[in-house]
Amino acid sequence: SYELTQPPSVSVSPGQTASITCSGDKLGDKYTCWYQQRPGQSPVLVIYQDTKRPSGIPERFSGSNSGNTATLTISGTQALDEADYYCQAWVTNSYVVFGGGTKLSVL
Amino acid sequence: VQLVESGGGLVQPGGSLRLSCAASEFTFSLYWMIWVRQAPGKGLEWVANIKQDGSEGYYVDSVKGRFTISRDNAKNSLYLQMNSLRAEDTAVYYCAREMLTAAAPGFDSWGQGTLVTVSS
Repeated sequence: SYELTQPPSVSVSPGQTASITCSGDKLGDKYTCWYQQRPGQSPVLVIYQDTKRPSGIPERFSGSNSGNTATLTISGTQALDEADYYCQAWVTNSYVVFGGGTKLSVL
Repeated sequence: VQLVESGGGLVQPGGSLRLSCAASEFTFSLYWMIWVRQAPGKGLEWVANIKQDGSEGYYVDSVKGRFTISRDNAKNSLYLQMNSLRAEDTAVYYCAREMLTAAAPGFDSWGQGTLVTVSS
């Protein structure tokens, strides 16, 4: 079965850039999405098709995907960005997989 | 866009439960829909998805043969029939909408979730 691997936690200082990685076999050949989930809330889509932002998502969120690794980058990180982040990919046209999630701490 | 799940609760191992998701403020029949679950303190897990007309449904291996996804476009509703429930099915179950993109859509709207607890 296909697996996506994320670091359990990432820490960043306010105003700095946070990078969260997601690794999978030939992940660069697939499209990746990213979701933000604040405590007690439902997930929110922040990046789709590797690099695109849904309307309403701040420009400080960006994504990339190449080789075996996709990366979510948050520039000028703010306290409100503290949350769990999940990557997601389509293994086939109908089979979805999520990464294990990364807790972003803004210290 | 609004998605409201219902039907969760406490059920004994081996029991059944039917979850519902009421959709509003968008044309439900145009969208693939999905169920995703999250065990307490754990990550997200895709459970099942269903085509716009209900003719195709796909499942994660761990629920195949036990869960059935369905929809009623006339009622703007999505369902998940869960049979032979196990302790490991305990989770918050979310319904979500797939984006209208040609390839590898994200899930751009989510409900608030409904908690299913499987325990004796």
